[in-house]
Amino acid sequence: EAGVVQSPRYKIIEKKQPVAFWCNPISGHNTLYWYRQNLGQGPELLIRYENEEAVDDSQLPKDRFSAERLKGVDSTLKIQPAELGDSAVYLCASSLVRERSFSYNEQFFGPGTRLTVL
Amino acid sequence: AQKVTQAQTEISVVEKEDVTLDCVYETRDTTYYLFWYKQPPSGELVFLIRRNSFDEQNEISGRYSWNFQKSTSSFNFTITASQVVDSAVYFCALGHSSSNTGKLIFGQGTTLQVKP
Repeated sequence: EAGVVQSPRYKIIEKKQPVAFWCNPISGHNTLYWYRQNLGQGPELLIRYENEEAVDDSQLPKDRFSAERLKGVDSTLKIQPAELGDSAVYLCASSLVRERSFSYNEQFFGPGTRLTVL
Repeated sequence: AQKVTQAQTEISVVEKEDVTLDCVYETRDTTYYLFWYKQPPSGELVFLIRRNSFDEQNEISGRYSWNFQKSTSSFNFTITASQVVDSAVYFCALGHSSSNTGKLIFGQGTTLQVKP
């Protein structure tokens, strides 16, 4: 079974430039997450999708960040314009969440995109 | 407030030594989940274990073992007879079951270096 795929793996841009990251979750997974991981820190959730719907975007800086998940499968995270402080690893994860399930579903992570803003 | 603290930033051991990674969490919920993830240099977070708040039994999986103690809000991870391949960053994380939100709160991670 293929894991979570992310591209690109690395991206270097100058500040004020736009950038986009792509994520393909594990087939059949209805829930998709974008996390940001700053150097030396644990990941922090930016946005969570259930199918096509963004159900938790409270941590997403909406002035410059946007995300979409067309058809409830692939997702794109965009930053426009990028700032120096956006340098981080952006991780995508997916899980299969069943309704009315007490169990907490395991999240499978992709390798991440390392963004460097100069 | 929900918080995960991994006080050990870096640990260095020699191969075959045992090592324990500490994790302390804070939550007001009575139902929650605790996780350990491994992040090798490749960057991908690898799931190691999930434990719910109602199950305080310790668990052993090969060289890995976990000690969950609600009384001290700790969920420590021990690697027995460490190997060089165990070198990675290890994250402890806390999740809540309310609405099955799926949000994980991670600690800052502990970098483990196992020297040959």
